[in-house]
Amino acid sequence: DAKTTQPTSMDCAEGRAANLPCNHSTISGNEYVYWYRQIHSQGPQYIIHGLKNNETNEMASLIITEDRKSSTLILPHATLRDTAVYYCIVRVQGAQKLVFGQGTRLTINP
Amino acid sequence: GAVVSQHPSWVICKSGTSVKIECRSLDFQATTMFWYRQFPKQSLMLMATSNEGSKATYEQGVEKDKFLINHASLTLSTLTVTSAHPEDSSFYICSAEDRVPYNSPLHFGNGTRLTVT
Repeated sequence: DAKTTQPTSMDCAEGRAANLPCNHSTISGNEYVYWYRQIHSQGPQYIIHGLKNNETNEMASLIITEDRKSSTLILPHATLRDTAVYYCIVRVQGAQKLVFGQGTRLTINP
Repeated sequence: GAVVSQHPSWVICKSGTSVKIECRSLDFQATTMFWYRQFPKQSLMLMATSNEGSKATYEQGVEKDKFLINHASLTLSTLTVTSAHPEDSSFYICSAEDRVPYNSPLHFGNGTRLTVT
């Protein structure tokens, strides 16, 4: 399985863009990058995923470097409700399971 | 969007008893479901992969006789914690995938908090 490295914690001011980095230097060519978040005492919520190209949806944007060794999740206008643990996960090649790392605890401050 | 429902959301049981947790995919069929466990301030740890109509695949270190998994239909998987002990107290979360190409996202239930007294 490709491993990911994320900062343990980050802070961001409400209304500003939150940029969460992730390193996945051993990613394989056909592995996707997924982002989930977990708000306290709830199940993980899917945010976005991508392979090579940058992706955007109603929740966030995903920027993947050209060499695919790292990516950044962008929450364009963070709110207090975005406070959560954010997980960057590389999908196991040929399998379906998601293996979670420790994630980044993002705190949005008023 | 795809919805995964878990029941119950919380349960308290006495040591030595068994507890069953249900995981349902409400609007899609899932040939595979996954069971995770999460202790306080820790990440999710995959326990097992539940395959419809066949035996579950357990991760290393997870006792298959203690954590019984049944996936009898395309919309329901159950996890039974047998002879529960206080150390089994944890947050149990299931996930399921729609029957589409493997790069589609997994959807998660809202978890079951088990407390064994």
